Amino acid sequence: GAGVSQTPSNKVTEKGKYVELRCDPISGHTALYWYRQSLGQGPEFLIYFQGTGAADDSGLPNDRFFAVRPEGSVSTLKIQRTERGDSAVYLCASSLLPDINSGANVLTFGAGSRLTVL
Amino acid sequence: QQQVKQSPQSLIVQKGGIPIINCAYENTAFDYFPWYQQFPGKGPALLIAIRPDVSEKKEGRFTISFNKSAKQFSLHIMDSQPGDSATYFCAASSPGSQGNLIFGKGTKLSVKP
Repeated sequence: GAGVSQTPSNKVTEKGKYVELRCDPISGHTALYWYRQSLGQGPEFLIYFQGTGAADDSGLPNDRFFAVRPEGSVSTLKIQRTERGDSAVYLCASSLLPDINSGANVLTFGAGSRLTVL
Repeated sequence: QQQVKQSPQSLIVQKGGIPIINCAYENTAFDYFPWYQQFPGKGPALLIAIRPDVSEKKEGRFTISFNKSAKQFSLHIMDSQPGDSATYFCAASSPGSQGNLIFGKGTKLSVKP
């Protein structure tokens, strides 16, 4: 597609439930990122995939959060036993392979999935 | 610990004015400094980015000024328009962590007609 597509755009769930958020990156982009944006804050890094593997998952807050990208394209962010504090907009971004010399990393973000945990 | 501090939190200017948004960082390993623009209900979009080997970069009406010794950088928007009304985020990343952008808290800019 033309841009990064995220589904669902809105998700309301109850505390303790399991949630999956899906990201379709730009075709051909090898790198995929998940960020979380709380109200009035900047995006906060969660995890970064290069191909199928997680190159950096240092931002995942705890073991309730997990992400996969089994075929190197679509990714799913999975949240177990959701808590009210998980409420946020979950942003996905993709990019071409970062330039090794410059480190330039032009991320294209999707519109996000707004998660509300009641 | 907030690694990238952004100010002001909000800014109102008249059309044609030059809003300036400032960011400061602590980590001297940072070597890539992008600015993102975000409209309500949309994801952030890259505006302009700079690396620390230059002190200024211009793209259209947007200019980044970079002061390596002070560990500060700023965004200037020339001839601002109501359509520039959005939230602006500065960010930084370090080598080896290119996927991990550290964002500031954002500046909500309103340009009045």
